[in-house]
Amino acid sequence: AAGVIQSPRHLIKEKRETATLKCYPIPRHDTVYWYQQGPGQDPQFLISFYEKMQSDKGSIPDRFSAQQFSDYHSELNMSSLELGDSALYFCASSLGGLAFTDTQYFGPGTRLTVL
Amino acid sequence: AQTVTQSQPEMSVQEAETVTLSCTYDTSENNYYLFWYKQPPSRQMILVIRQEAYKQQNATENRFSVNFQKAAKSFSLKISDSQLGDTAMYFCAFMGVNYGGATNKLIFGTGTLLAVQP
Repeated sequence: AAGVIQSPRHLIKEKRETATLKCYPIPRHDTVYWYQQGPGQDPQFLISFYEKMQSDKGSIPDRFSAQQFSDYHSELNMSSLELGDSALYFCASSLGGLAFTDTQYFGPGTRLTVL
Repeated sequence: AQTVTQSQPEMSVQEAETVTLSCTYDTSENNYYLFWYKQPPSRQMILVIRQEAYKQQNATENRFSVNFQKAAKSFSLKISDSQLGDTAMYFCAFMGVNYGGATNKLIFGTGTLLAVQP
């Protein structure tokens, strides 16, 4: 079965640079979530989208922005990168619908290292 | 705000034995969903099992089963016939239900690192 695709899988950036992470949800899934997992930590919710509209927002820095496109893929844009942004970034997708209770399936993650 | 607590940072089990991972949560909601996700050394987040709070029957998936105690707000994972491939970090996660039209985020516990010994 098709899974969530994330690209790139690894990314190395310098401080103050920008990064763009991409997520391609499972076919027919219309809801995308972004999570950040720091070293030795549990994943933390950043932001979510349903039908190309932002739905919910967590502890996402103002330096980060994201959007969902007409084909339901999503991009997380990160500017003015800081050392503390080094983490594993997960995208998860699910079916929307009533009350958004569908299971979230995770992609393999993008490992971002900021030097 | 909902919280998820996993009080066992690390556990070890012999191959073919049974192990139980603990998880407690705090919520004032009546309808919600609970999950166990597995994160092996590859760091992929893999769904293990899902439990709907409105269901009294405990969920099972092959060698994995849960003991869901709603009144006690407890959600433990039992792994039977442990295999070397079960070595991973296991995260318990809570998902509330937002009837206001927004999506429902996952709230994770801090994880339990399980090592299956040969």
